[in-house]
Amino acid sequence: QQQVKQSPQSLIVQKGGISIINCAYENTAFDYFPWYQQFPGKGPALLIAIRPDVSEKKEGRFTISFNKSAKQFSLHIMDSQPGDSATYFCAAKDYNQGGKLIFGQGTELSVKP
Amino acid sequence: EAGVAQSPRYKIIEKRQSVAFWCNPISGHATLYWYQQILGQGPKLLIQFQNNGVVDDSQLPKDRFSAERLKGVDSTLKIQPAKLEDSAVYLCASIDNAGNTEAFFGQGTRLTVV
Repeated sequence: QQQVKQSPQSLIVQKGGISIINCAYENTAFDYFPWYQQFPGKGPALLIAIRPDVSEKKEGRFTISFNKSAKQFSLHIMDSQPGDSATYFCAAKDYNQGGKLIFGQGTELSVKP
Repeated sequence: EAGVAQSPRYKIIEKRQSVAFWCNPISGHATLYWYQQILGQGPKLLIQFQNNGVVDDSQLPKDRFSAERLKGVDSTLKIQPAKLEDSAVYLCASIDNAGNTEAFFGQGTRLTVV
């Protein structure tokens, strides 16, 4: 019940294309859903986040879509750029459990020029 | 604002040896996390501190792993004795309080056990 399942494991997109990464969860107590971006040799960095009371959040080229009834959320990267090539992790936080983050398995995104 | 500092960046040890990692969180951040990130997987929480008290250590292999945050600031994570399956990146993260949102991560320590 504490798991967050992420797909796909890897993704190759052409420059200018749309990258879509999906996550699903079981625990309805999760109340904060961030996406983290990680470059090789670096720690994860917060990219964008959403709370379950909204269905979509957009920041620049990055959009989170959230479907509370389906317990799914996704990251869309519009106009993908080679600099977006990184590993992306979805996560979920349960403030009732001390606020710890539960991470998905990660998606390795490669954007080809 | 200085980020989360971790050292060393890399460590190679033989199995059954001991190793320690150090983390200095962002100044004023009360909550500190240690995560284990095995290659190709998402980070997994090992332990969470609130100031110098342990909030969650349910996934810490306590027979070989230990962690402390004596003065509520810096923290150390120790493995003794190390096993091959402990090879991973150990990430430290901090947050100003558990009710806040953004956790800031350090660059991690890459441990290789041979």
